[in-house]
Amino acid sequence: AQTVTQSQPEMSVQEAETVTLSCTYDTSESDYYLFWYKQPPSRQMILVIRQEAYKQQNATENRFSVNFQKAAKSFSLKISDSQLGDAAMYFCAYRTDFKAAGNKLTFGGGTRVLVKP
Amino acid sequence: DAGITQSPRHKVTETGTPVTLRCHQTENHRYMYWYRQDPGHGLRLIHYSYGVKDTDKGEVSDGYSVSRSKTEDFLLTLESATSSQTSVYFCAISETGRYGYTFGSGTRLTVV
Repeated sequence: AQTVTQSQPEMSVQEAETVTLSCTYDTSESDYYLFWYKQPPSRQMILVIRQEAYKQQNATENRFSVNFQKAAKSFSLKISDSQLGDAAMYFCAYRTDFKAAGNKLTFGGGTRVLVKP
Repeated sequence: DAGITQSPRHKVTETGTPVTLRCHQTENHRYMYWYRQDPGHGLRLIHYSYGVKDTDKGEVSDGYSVSRSKTEDFLLTLESATSSQTSVYFCAISETGRYGYTFGSGTRLTVV
């Protein structure tokens, strides 16, 4: 079974600065998808960014970008120009491309991001 | 979230009582999931469904059962609630999985 590890329980960043969240995963598969979800205090789960494993180019969504290192099984999230609204829990997630697996997502334990004004 | 609703949003129940949580979607997605969220554990899969009356277990299925008699509804039942089942429960839907899931707003369940 795949596992996803987020080694940083909490990260603090100054407003307008940059913070990088770490995520590593364990898999023997070559085709899969990776995601970062944001969970603000409202509890809603919001998709931030996704990456297909077959794509070498790192995904970018506005101030959010990833550093995908397939060989190292690493998928870090960089938040640039941090804003107060970025304060939330962030979850890394893995999904196999194997259709019979039910499209199940496996989540890491989460990293809480605090943004200081 | 748009197209998926969970009910109730909050519930307090006593140990040993049965509890049913409901997830309703209007997206006609094939896949539906129940996760529980606990501090330090992220979200863990309880059960999922890949079609009407087609369900399978996740990693933390003990003490839970599910049913899906219609495409739009996926029910999670705790037959006899225990304090260890105090958690936040999320329902999610997916079609192909390529774009991740759409999540419901969650149900905070407290078993006293």
